[in-house]
Amino acid sequence: KNEVEQSPQNLTAQEGEFITINCSYSVGISALHWLQQHPGGGIVSLFMLSSGKKKHGRLIATINIQEKHSSLHITASHPRDSAVYICAVISNTDKLIFGTGTRLQVFP
Amino acid sequence: NAGVMQNPRHLVRRRGQEARLRCSPMKGHSHVYWYRQLPEEGLKFMVYLQKENIIDESGMPKERFSAEFPKEGPSILRIQQVVRGDSAAYFCASSPLRDSVMAYFGSGTRLTVV
Repeated sequence: KNEVEQSPQNLTAQEGEFITINCSYSVGISALHWLQQHPGGGIVSLFMLSSGKKKHGRLIATINIQEKHSSLHITASHPRDSAVYICAVISNTDKLIFGTGTRLQVFP
Repeated sequence: NAGVMQNPRHLVRRRGQEARLRCSPMKGHSHVYWYRQLPEEGLKFMVYLQKENIIDESGMPKERFSAEFPKEGPSILRIQQVVRGDSAAYFCASSPLRDSVMAYFGSGTRLTVV
């Protein structure tokens, strides 16, 4: 079993839909990151969280430390949001552990 | 203000050849991390380097793989005698401090072994 699990693995949506991607982890962490990997392969860091909630434009990330769970929400989704979204945690032993990603496709 | 620069973007090697992947961190960053993304798999940590030092290589295969980050110049990930299973995307990240490691990723080098 992976230490960082994401769901769903694949997600399709119509433009404008509200999207949620979930991440659960089984190790103690100091921080959690959400990354975006575009079809060209480049990786962009979206958020780093250690508690609570962060918002950037149409993106919202939340984390519940007690439940070891984080969610990434996209409001009013757009085709340009199509990408792979990766959850990664920094464990208490300073290891960076990645989820396998959620592939999102948003259709016009 | 260039971000983390990796080159080449694509690299094709025949089995048995050597592959050299370069990573130039952002200006002022002295921490470099290498990750490998195998097809249909998530990113996996390989090695963490500071200038002239390997800090953690627990994710590096025991043979054929080596990494360096010299005082001057880019960090190099070297794979000797490549095999088909080495085909993957190799990402480099840099940070000024360890706990901001995720902030700056390179675009990756896609290695294809034929």
